[in-house]
Amino acid sequence: SQQGEEDPQALSIQEGENATMNCSYKTSINNLQWYRQNSGRGLVHLILIRSNEREKHSGRLRVTLDTSKKSSSLLITASRAADTASYFCATISSGSARQLTFGSGTQLTVLP
Amino acid sequence: DAGVIQSPRHEVTEMGQEVTLRCKPISGHDYLFWYRQTMMRGLELLIYFNNNVPIDDSGMPEDRFSAKMPNASFSTLKIQPSEPRDSAVYFCASSPGGTVIYFGEGSWLTVV
Repeated sequence: SQQGEEDPQALSIQEGENATMNCSYKTSINNLQWYRQNSGRGLVHLILIRSNEREKHSGRLRVTLDTSKKSSSLLITASRAADTASYFCATISSGSARQLTFGSGTQLTVLP
Repeated sequence: DAGVIQSPRHEVTEMGQEVTLRCKPISGHDYLFWYRQTMMRGLELLIYFNNNVPIDDSGMPEDRFSAKMPNASFSTLKIQPSEPRDSAVYFCASSPGGTVIYFGEGSWLTVV
């Protein structure tokens, strides 16, 4: 079963604009991760935020985590056509050994 | 560094045939995961190993599916007999410590 649900399911923006994707999850977590998947490829880890962190940055990526609302957001600033991909949030539930469960993903299209 | 290597990349087989998917994890990683990705069900964890030992196979859909990890550098996922509903992309992934996961490029299986 999927732990996280991304919103929106699809997002289309112009190059240079910011892209924001949201993730909601159901149970207590140890950490939350975001992964990216280019068409026809495997998933690639982008960033991890721990349950005691509220915000984290990595290059053009900004991730927030609100454990009280069981939600996270991924912001990609100054988007590029190369950012076109599917983005997934993934969580490991507290007490779970190593079961990383993925959301349904947001398909981001950045138009040149 | 070589990533997770999967073979075959693409396979088309007839219903009832045995399918064997292979995976070479990243050297030094102690966790290995098998995921399945479909449009309908998204990414599903099938089974994962820690130090070559299966830890959780609750995601394996049926007895037709089996996975082995005879040593730290090799794992197989076998489907026997295969059915059309098994058509999916099967990902192998490995991890040092079980938190951040490194995916292979996937094996695209079509059962006709």
